[in-house]
Amino acid sequence: DSGVTQTPKHLITATGQRVTLRCSPRSGDLSVYWYQQSLDQGLQFLIQYYNGEERAKGNILERFSAQQFPDLHSELNLSSLELGDSALYFCASSAASGSAKNIQYFGAGTRLSVL
Amino acid sequence: AQTVTQSQPEMSVQEAETVTLSCTYDTSESDYYLFWYKQPPSRQMILVIRQEAYKQQNATENRFSVNFQKAAKSFSLKISDSQLGDAAMYFCAYRSSFNDYKLSFGAGTTVTVRA
Repeated sequence: DSGVTQTPKHLITATGQRVTLRCSPRSGDLSVYWYQQSLDQGLQFLIQYYNGEERAKGNILERFSAQQFPDLHSELNLSSLELGDSALYFCASSAASGSAKNIQYFGAGTRLSVL
Repeated sequence: AQTVTQSQPEMSVQEAETVTLSCTYDTSESDYYLFWYKQPPSRQMILVIRQEAYKQQNATENRFSVNFQKAAKSFSLKISDSQLGDAAMYFCAYRSSFNDYKLSFGAGTTVTVRA
């Protein structure tokens, strides 16, 4: 168990809909990262938050947005869903200092199926 | 942008034997981190081993070891005494030491262990 919790595990929805994926980082970790894993694009970085603020952005679509709350949990919002958004979405967290600072620990992922 | 290449889509190994997975990367940075993550059928991303670029000594974690060749930008993973539980997809990942802390992943290598 990595200590990173993602909910829900599975999500099935229809095109055009909006969903919210939730992530609770490891206790004490300030950084949260979101990744998308799809068959055609592999594992891709979406966005990073550090202590509530956006730190880095990757290949994240404008239809997607994220935020990190004061209790450090994060949510990834996906709207106007398309079939191509079907993927496994991972959240990872890392510590702000110490020997584990450079390691990202991953949650179990949320599998999104858009029908 | 950093590119990570895993040229072996699949590798097969006999139980108790050794298998080596290849990874090359492209970067202009002198300081960075390299990782191998394992993704078993459960889809969980599990850290196997990490290497800091400024350390010349190759990292080792039990049956897992790396061969880090900085000049050649090569980072291979050796799995010794392979076990059935080692069967998984293995991803090589790069992380900058500077502002951009995202992980850049290779396409992955599927390892099959034959009993």
